[in-house]
Amino acid sequence: EAGVAQSPRYKIIEKRQSVAFWCNPISGHATLYWYQQILGQGPKLLIQFQNNGVVDDSQLPKDRFSAERLKGVDSTLKIQPAKLEDSAVYLCASSPSFLQETQYFGPGTRLLVL
Amino acid sequence: AQSVSQHNHHVILSEAASLELGCNYSYGGTVNLFWYVQYPGQHLQLLLKYFSGDPLVKGIKGFEAEFIKSKFSFNLRKPSVQWSDTAEYFCAVKVFSGGYNKLIFGAGTRLAVHP
Repeated sequence: EAGVAQSPRYKIIEKRQSVAFWCNPISGHATLYWYQQILGQGPKLLIQFQNNGVVDDSQLPKDRFSAERLKGVDSTLKIQPAKLEDSAVYLCASSPSFLQETQYFGPGTRLLVL
Repeated sequence: AQSVSQHNHHVILSEAASLELGCNYSYGGTVNLFWYVQYPGQHLQLLLKYFSGDPLVKGIKGFEAEFIKSKFSFNLRKPSVQWSDTAEYFCAVKVFSGGYNKLIFGAGTRLAVHP
């Protein structure tokens, strides 16, 4: 079974630029999550989708971050404009359903904002 | 607010030593508890989980964890570590908040095992 795919794996941008990350969850998984992991901290949930609908985006900085999952499969997370403090690893995870306990994580995208 | 606390940020052990990593959470409701592991260069993967029943949970690679409700703890243990256990370990708690489930992670513990 293929795992969660993410691209790019690494990205370096300057502050005020924009950046987008892509995630393809495990086939058939209805629930998709985006996490931000700052160095020295655990992953923090940014947004959770159930199919193509947003379940929880309470910790998403909506003035600069946006995410979509238009067809209920793959998803993109965008930052515009980026700030220095956005430097982090962005993790995508998926689970078979909203009630499914185990989340499966992708390799992450490491973002450095200069 | 719900939170997860991992007491040790860095642990260094020799092979065959015993391991115990502490995890405490703050949440008054029913919890599901997890330990995830991230080996160098790899993605986060599930080590073990507790939902209900026997509070002593066994996971992969000889790891186990004990849920002590009265102490709000879910400590991870392994009797004899190997060099291949070198990794970062994250404790996580699933809480039900605002009508949906949310996974809250601790800050992680980096374990280095020396041959």
